[in-house]
Amino acid sequence: GAGVSQSPSNKVTEKGKDVELRCDPISGHTALYWYRQSLGQGLEFLIYFQGNSAPDKSGLPSDRFSAERTGGSVSTLTIQRTQQEDSAVYLCASSLALAGAYNEQFFGPGTRLTVL
Amino acid sequence: KQEVTQIPAALSVPEGENLVLNCSFTDSAIYNLQWFRQDPGKGLTSLLLIQSSQREQTSGRLNASLDKSSGRSTLYIAASQPGDSATYLCAVPGSSNTGKLIFGQGTTLQVKP
Repeated sequence: GAGVSQSPSNKVTEKGKDVELRCDPISGHTALYWYRQSLGQGLEFLIYFQGNSAPDKSGLPSDRFSAERTGGSVSTLTIQRTQQEDSAVYLCASSLALAGAYNEQFFGPGTRLTVL
Repeated sequence: KQEVTQIPAALSVPEGENLVLNCSFTDSAIYNLQWFRQDPGKGLTSLLLIQSSQREQTSGRLNASLDKSSGRSTLYIAASQPGDSATYLCAVPGSSNTGKLIFGQGTTLQVKP
């Protein structure tokens, strides 16, 4: 089957605009994660979903960031009023379950966001 | 708070050498550890996942070991090839019930032909 897919692969936007990033997880994976990778910061966790619910939103950098997941599948990460410090690669991952042997996470290719 | 450290940050070796990448973590109460590979401009590829009850996992020329008590894992690459050139990341779950991963900063490997 197909792996995790993300779109767009690249996004260039102007400061202050809103952007939406999409993630399609591996079919049947109930857990979905968003991470951000920026120069000098490494990989940082943003949010995870179990089904359609997001029990832990503590990794979101500010209230400009939000995410949703529908149908236990596709997820969208929305960044409102983008700032230059939001420039990064946004990575999505999915796993069969949250814990144990089924927590092996498989990553998508990422969306490179550039805020001018 | 879990912290993950990888040493060295960069490594350059001639083709054919065996090499070891190191990963250490501060909280030994982990239930698994995952090694990834990242090529420039690409996402992460899962290489190996070791459960807390396991001591090592092997996949082809790769062997990962885990010593929970000392908070360490190693990734051994045998007979390195130029195609192994990439950044290698290790990660552990930050908590037992969310699965969110805490990553090291990575080791960038260059294998010279």
